[in-house]
Parts: sequence; structure tokens; C-alpha cells
Amino acid sequence: NAGVTQTPKFRVLKTGQSMTLLCAQDMNHEYMYWYRQDPGMGLRLIHYSVGEGTTAKGEVPDGYNVSRLKKQNFLLGLESAAPSQTSVYFCASSYAGGRTYEQYFGPGTRLTVT
Amino acid sequence: DQQVKQNSPSLSVQEGRISILNCDYTNSMFDYFLWYKKYPAEGPTFLISISSIKDKNEDGRFTVFLNKSAKHLSLHIVPSQPGDSAVYFCAASADQGGSEKLVFGKGTKLTVNP
Repeated sequence: NAGVTQTPKFRVLKTGQSMTLLCAQDMNHEYMYWYRQDPGMGLRLIHYSVGEGTTAKGEVPDGYNVSRLKKQNFLLGLESAAPSQTSVYFCASSYAGGRTYEQYFGPGTRLTVT
Repeated sequence: DQQVKQNSPSLSVQEGRISILNCDYTNSMFDYFLWYKKYPAEGPTFLISISSIKDKNEDGRFTVFLNKSAKHLSLHIVPSQPGDSAVYFCAASADQGGSEKLVFGKGTKLTVNP
């Protein structure tokens, strides 16, 4: 049981390049989330999904797109990377309902945009 | 507008003493609160939570206290151990019909000195 995994762990992009971050979970969770963490800013929600085929915007969605084609995977795309997107990105997942709100996090992807 | 505030960026305590981490919130709709712990280069991990119908929840060395009238919660760690050294995030949620979104504070870095 690997929990939540993220690929890649590190990446350096040039401004304007595109990339996709992959999140996978093997806990059969309905809900999945993408966060970014910046120094002194805590964790901010980018997009989330409450089920396969559904996505919704979080607090800071601009410049990102997401897809949830399979229940276990949640992809985060950057179409045209900007230096402001330099950050550590965390994926998380959780059960639906019951209001347990415990989210399980992946190890993070450190992205640098030059 | 920061809805969850952790006003102390850092805290240093001696091993064996009590660590008290504080969190304030502004949204009166928040009714579920969590603490996450994060080590460097890892994702956050769930530590303890509390519902607004309670004022205290205890789990081993960790106790969370909630003061709804003051919109304040605190995490007590007794006794503190060097392995507790990490960044602690306070998070809050309001019942949004199942969207399960969390709002995080900026975190407090705890250092427990041997």
C-alpha cells in the first residue's frame, strides 16, 4: 500500500514550457486535491476533485488545469509555466462523506521555473 | 483575507517541556479543525482533529483545545521530544455539502532541543 505518490519529485522548467504532474493513490479515495506551498504562505488549494470525471477550482486555480480520468489518478497541468509557479506541489486524497476531513498527502513535487 | 492564522512562525522548547502551538480563525462557519505535522522534504501528515461540538481532544502526548467564543485553538505536546521538531499546520473546514475543502494556516516551525 503506497498511499499517495507523486511524479516527478523535482523538475526545472523554462518560462513558457508545459508539464504535467501526476498524482496516484491506492486507497480508493473519492476526493483528490492539488495544493501548492510557498515560503510563508502555508498550503493553498489549486484544484480538487470529488470523483472520477469531476474537477473544481480551489483558491489559486489560475495557470493550472486538472483532469481526473481515473479514480486513482489526478493530473495537474501547467500549459505555459511562469516563474510565479515556482513552488512545492502537494497532492492529497481523502474519503468522501462522514466529514472526517483527514487528507493523506503525497511527498511533494519541487518545481522551479526559470 | 487570511481565515486561519498562526501568528508564531517558530517556537523553540526544551525536551521534556510542554509545547503550545496556537491558531486563530475568523470564519464562524468553521466547525472542524485539524493539525498536520510536516517534516522537511515530506508531505504533511494528519496529527489530531477536533469538532466544534467539543472543546478538547486528546491523543497520547497531543491535546487540542478549542475555544469557540474566542475563535482560537491550541495544540499541546507534553512532553516534547526532539522527534516532534517539524512544521505544524492548523487547518479548518466548514460544512460545504461534501466538498471537503480545508483552509490552512501558514504553519509554525517547532524545534525541540535535547
